[in-house]
Amino acid sequence: QSALTQPASVSGSPGQSITISCTGTSSDVGGYNYVSWYQQHPGKAPKLIIYDVTKRPSGVSNRFSGSKSGNTASLTISGLQAEDEAGYYCSSYTSSTTWVFGGGTKLTVL
Amino acid sequence: EVQLVQSGAEVKKPGESLRISCKGSEYGFTNYWISWVRQMPGKGLEWMGRIDPSDSYTNYSPSFQGHVTISADKSISTAYLQWSSLKASDTAMYYCARLLFGYSSNWFDPWGQGTLVTVSS
Repeated sequence: QSALTQPASVSGSPGQSITISCTGTSSDVGGYNYVSWYQQHPGKAPKLIIYDVTKRPSGVSNRFSGSKSGNTASLTISGLQAEDEAGYYCSSYTSSTTWVFGGGTKLTVL
Repeated sequence: EVQLVQSGAEVKKPGESLRISCKGSEYGFTNYWISWVRQMPGKGLEWMGRIDPSDSYTNYSPSFQGHVTISADKSISTAYLQWSSLKASDTAMYYCARLLFGYSSNWFDPWGQGTLVTVSS
């Protein structure tokens, strides 16, 4: 099972919006509405920020939003803040009844 | 507060065995699955496998099948990840995470704090 494809890095200035893509296949991202996103600060455990493609857990800022088109899911962060600087990972359920993560994207807030 | 608390860091030699743990609290332990995720130094997250604590049914990523064993003891709300013969390449941070799959929803939340496993001669 290959990892989902994410850009290695993205950057943006405070107040701007950025989008991170997550590309898979019809056997994972494209086949199910089971894409989730995780934020990981250095030295910390991952934290759920988006699930079921578009849903936000209680307590997560509405600056985070998710979407999907075909085999590519996306995470958008609007109104960038310094605290958003972190690693971001997508995940998807697969037709093999397993799960797969993306390679991760490092977000730098300039 | 729903929590997963993992056992402490381990330093082992190649060929040794190891079992690390993940204890759930403040939720019905048998109502959710537990997954294990590897993060090698400076690298991304890799899904290893999962267990249903209610019946101990497991399934593994093909990359980890046969190399690790996932188990659980529902009487003490604890899941385990074990190796029978460690290799240097097993050096990594290992996270457990509560996994919901069903009712048209799927997520990993919360995550344990991580257990650092170092394998070195």
